[in-house]
Amino acid sequence: SAVISQKPSRDICQRGTSLTIQCQVDSQVTMMFWYRQQPGQSLTLIATANQGSEATYESGFVIDKFPISRPNLTFSTLTVSNMSPEDSSIYLCSVDGLAGEDTQYFGPGTRLTVL
Amino acid sequence: GENVEQHPSTLSVQEGDSAVIKCTYSDSASNYFPWYKQELGKRPQLIIDIRSNVGEKKDQRIAVTLNKTAKHFSLHITETQPEDSAVYFCAASDSGSARQLTFGSGTQLTVLP
Repeated sequence: SAVISQKPSRDICQRGTSLTIQCQVDSQVTMMFWYRQQPGQSLTLIATANQGSEATYESGFVIDKFPISRPNLTFSTLTVSNMSPEDSSIYLCSVDGLAGEDTQYFGPGTRLTVL
Repeated sequence: GENVEQHPSTLSVQEGDSAVIKCTYSDSASNYFPWYKQELGKRPQLIIDIRSNVGEKKDQRIAVTLNKTAKHFSLHITETQPEDSAVYFCAASDSGSARQLTFGSGTQLTVLP
């Protein structure tokens, strides 16, 4: 099965700064997604990372706050901009389309704490 | 958009007993229903999934049933073991070109030895 990695695994950041999270897959995938999981909560989709075009954002999430890149079929980044303590969460990427399957598999997540 | 409700939020069972978690969905266009298991500090792991052309699917001690008419699906775990203790999430999607998953709120399953 494919390996999905995220960097960093965790970080502690100051209010007002930005953090870029990387998601790397060791094989090409059709679709990549970014989710947020607040402490003790379920997963909420932030956006779909589209290769070669702008990401598609879900209601309540905007590009200025969460800019996303998808330069190729194996890599994506999510930036959390101008952070506040409310952004403290786990951010997970997922991939869909591995080996032609329409099944989502998740990366290990990035645990972000904003002070 | 899709809305997925999951019950119960917590479930405690004795080792060896069965556990059942239920989910309902709102969008009749949804046709793909995965279940994920998330252990503390770990990523969600896909444990079983079902598509709308099937009513039931089994994988060893785990089974999922789907009732399209009533728009609900359930996870059944038999002969529970302590290592089954985790948070379980159901999800639904329209597995067309979009394929976004909408998740339920999660069930904390505790298997008591």
